[in-house]
Amino acid sequence: EVQLVASGGGLIQPGGSLRLSCAASGFTVSTNYMTWVRQAPGKGFEWVSVIYSGGTAYYADSVKGRFTISRDNSKNTLYLQMNSLRAEDTAVYYCAREFRDGGNSRVGIDPWGQGALVTVSS
Amino acid sequence: DIQLTQSPSFLSASVGDRVTITCRASQGISSYFAWYQQKPGKAPKLLIYAASTLQSGVPSRFSGSGSGTEFTLTISSLQPEDFATYYCQQLNSYPLTFGGGTKVEIK
Repeated sequence: EVQLVASGGGLIQPGGSLRLSCAASGFTVSTNYMTWVRQAPGKGFEWVSVIYSGGTAYYADSVKGRFTISRDNSKNTLYLQMNSLRAEDTAVYYCAREFRDGGNSRVGIDPWGQGALVTVSS
Repeated sequence: DIQLTQSPSFLSASVGDRVTITCRASQGISSYFAWYQQKPGKAPKLLIYAASTLQSGVPSRFSGSGSGTEFTLTISSLQPEDFATYYCQQLNSYPLTFGGGTKVEIK
């Protein structure tokens, strides 16, 4: 079964750091395009970051320079290192896989992990 | 960034009703477009990808259409398990963006 399980969320003070983990099963993280998407409480979705199979990464302007996406191929796990956290970073963070068609074009996001809640507050 | 305007933001309907949700993109995105269903406290579920392709395991009462800047999600006969919030998404370019959501509630 294809599955993603996120962990590492919690309550953190403004300016602090946190690392989210996302363990994959049923597929290989390193050969896929993996992404993080967040959802603030009661709000819609905001794309955060993606890491390509080749290692190239892209970030939303709102997190660029503060967040870093990475993976550990031996553990089949995706990470999101979050530094200099702000109140506006409070959200449920979902790890997910970009779903690509036969021509390697992005066509959806699937599967999604269950989400990890990050609360930034003093 | 590509903006997605989803309408309506709220919809009240009865079991058996035909329901249509629309999403408009601020620029052409071909068919790099998806629809998701989200229930409270759960992760989103991919329903439709490439604008009109039904994801495996999704009931055939769901369908998607459109290309370019106008897209539609249709539920042909609303079932009790379909009451949820629906989101559209463009995958044409980063940053990937989402519509504001449509909450479908029981009339």
